Amino acid sequence: QKEVEQNSGPLSVPEGAIASLNCTYSDRGSQSFFWYRQYSGKSPELIMSIYSNGDKEDGRFTAQLNKASQYVSLLIRDSQPSDSATYLCASTGNSGYALNFGKGTSLLVTP
Amino acid sequence: NAGVTQTPKFQVLKTGQSMTLQCAQDMNHNSMYWYRQDPGMGLRLIYYSASEGTTDKGEVPNGYNVSRLNKREFSLRLESAAPSQTSVYFCASSKGLAGPLDEQFFGPGTRLTVL
Repeated sequence: QKEVEQNSGPLSVPEGAIASLNCTYSDRGSQSFFWYRQYSGKSPELIMSIYSNGDKEDGRFTAQLNKASQYVSLLIRDSQPSDSATYLCASTGNSGYALNFGKGTSLLVTP
Repeated sequence: NAGVTQTPKFQVLKTGQSMTLQCAQDMNHNSMYWYRQDPGMGLRLIYYSASEGTTDKGEVPNGYNVSRLNKREFSLRLESAAPSQTSVYFCASSKGLAGPLDEQFFGPGTRLTVL
């Protein structure tokens, strides 16, 4: 079973703080990793993708990948109430096509 | 560009009825996907089409059929709906690089209830 694990939360952070979302995966063949944001009743929206070890920054978002530890994280700096959503971590397997999704972490940013 | 569009947005069926969910993309993507999302289960792949003319089963294909009508359109058919197929269905598409960072983009979803 190729699994992607996330803490379901909710993770509550105050406005302006750094939110740290974590994800682990079991398939060592996974090549690429994606973070999606999903607001309640809406579809997943891609916010970050990463395939090399290390950090990748895009605005307030930083994705971190450690393939040796099979660990992916997403940092959101200067968190805003509008960041309150469920964040889905996904990985690709050997086929390169199918995405394996975690069940998501609920983030609540309080004013 | 509209991106990925899906019809209908909502549907209620009775057990045993059939229906087809429609999906279209205008991004000239090669690959298209159908997922279902259930509370506590996350997103699960039903079928995918790596390129026009090909389709493959995903994690939960039973009870579904698909058709890749052309490069733009990928439909999902429920031949005899069951209450277990009550779910939110998402279509997605990607360039289809089969390599690093083949990013998938999702449609707005179809909320299906089977009574």
